[in-house]
Parts: sequence; C-alpha cells; structure tokens
Amino acid sequence: KQEVTQIPAALSVPEGENLVLNCSFTDSAIYNLQWFRQDPGKGLTSLLLIQSSQREQTSGRLNASLDKSSGRSTLYIAASQPGDSATYLCAVLYTGANSKLTFGKGITLSVRP
Amino acid sequence: DTEVTQTPKHLVMGMTNKKSLKCEQHMGHRAMYWYKQKAKKPPELMFVYSYEKLSINESVPSRFSPECPNSSLLNLHLHALQPEDSALYLCASSKASRRRRSTDTQYFGPGTRLTVL
Repeated sequence: KQEVTQIPAALSVPEGENLVLNCSFTDSAIYNLQWFRQDPGKGLTSLLLIQSSQREQTSGRLNASLDKSSGRSTLYIAASQPGDSATYLCAVLYTGANSKLTFGKGITLSVRP
Repeated sequence: DTEVTQTPKHLVMGMTNKKSLKCEQHMGHRAMYWYKQKAKKPPELMFVYSYEKLSINESVPSRFSPECPNSSLLNLHLHALQPEDSALYLCASSKASRRRRSTDTQYFGPGTRLTVL
C-alpha cells in the first residue's frame, strides 16, 4: 500500500532554533513530493515541490531534500520564528496515481517566542 | 498570480437545502480538483477535472455534483447532505498535459467551511 508517514505529529521549539521535519513514503516510484503549510482553518500553501529527479529545493529559510532510495524527505527550517507555527503536510504523487496526491497526516509545529 | 479563490468562505445549510461552492483561478491551469478535509486529517481527493472533463471521481456520493463550466471555474453542487459531510472543502489547480496526468504543483484555495445541520 502506498502511504506517507510524518512523525512526530506535533513539535514545539523555541524561537531561533533550526529544525527538521521528516516525511517517509513506502514506494520509490514517485513523480514528485510536495511540502505544504496549513494554518488553522485555512487552505494549503505550497512551500516546495521536488521532482523525482531532484535531490533538494530551497526557498528562503526552507530547504527540502529527497532521497528516493530510502523513501525519505526532510524539510529544514532555519532560524525558526513564531510565524512559522502551522501544520506542515508532505504529499507524494506516486507514478500511476492519476494526479492523486497521497498526504501524510501532517506535523503541527509551534515556535515559542 | 498564483491565487485560487473560493466562495463562500463559510456555509451553513440544512439537509434539505441545495447550495453550490465556487472556485476560480486565472493561472491558465487546465487541471482542477476538489478535496474534502475533516478536522485534524489530511485532505481527501474527491474529483479531478482535466481540460474541463471529469477525469477522476473518487467514489463520491451523488449528493455531491461537480461542474466545470469553463477553464477558469469549478463548481461543487450540494444537495441533501448529511451532518457528516461537514468539513473544509478545498479547491486546487495545476498545469495539465493532454498526453499525461498532471504532475505539477497543485495550488490550493483558502477553502469553504461547510456545516450541515
């Protein structure tokens, strides 16, 4: 079964800390992997998309990596700020998935001032 | 412009009502999606339209009826819903290719918070 797992479900860190959010997937046959941010009661904001041929993508303080052989992706957030508090969702587009993203359950991040 | 807009933001309806959710994008995307998201759960795909044609229906009950009147608009018509249909309904869009399924970044709207009484 093609699944996406994000552990832990919640994380609390002090402001300024560099942190890593993990995502694991069960099948290496993927088109791409996408990281989203969701604020409470809001829609999803696309942060980074990594194609299957890529190893990492960067945007500002965010860096996402992809290791298909181990079925893992990480989202690195540098110098965290209280405004980074949100739920971070990892989603994988598996080959043959007909445009259907497989989402993890998300990691709820709280950055303490 | 990477914006997907959805109206209304909030909707409360009775089980006998008929209502519609609307989604609009002007990014030239030809793939549009409806998702349903329950509290503290990830989004679940409901429908996919590609070039204004329904390409995926994830076994959604017929009380949900999608419509794609043109390349910029996506509607979700609601009729005879149940309380368990209360959720955040998200619309998304992405680039599409006629030769293969869309594998591009999906851009999401802010959602419609639906409450069924």
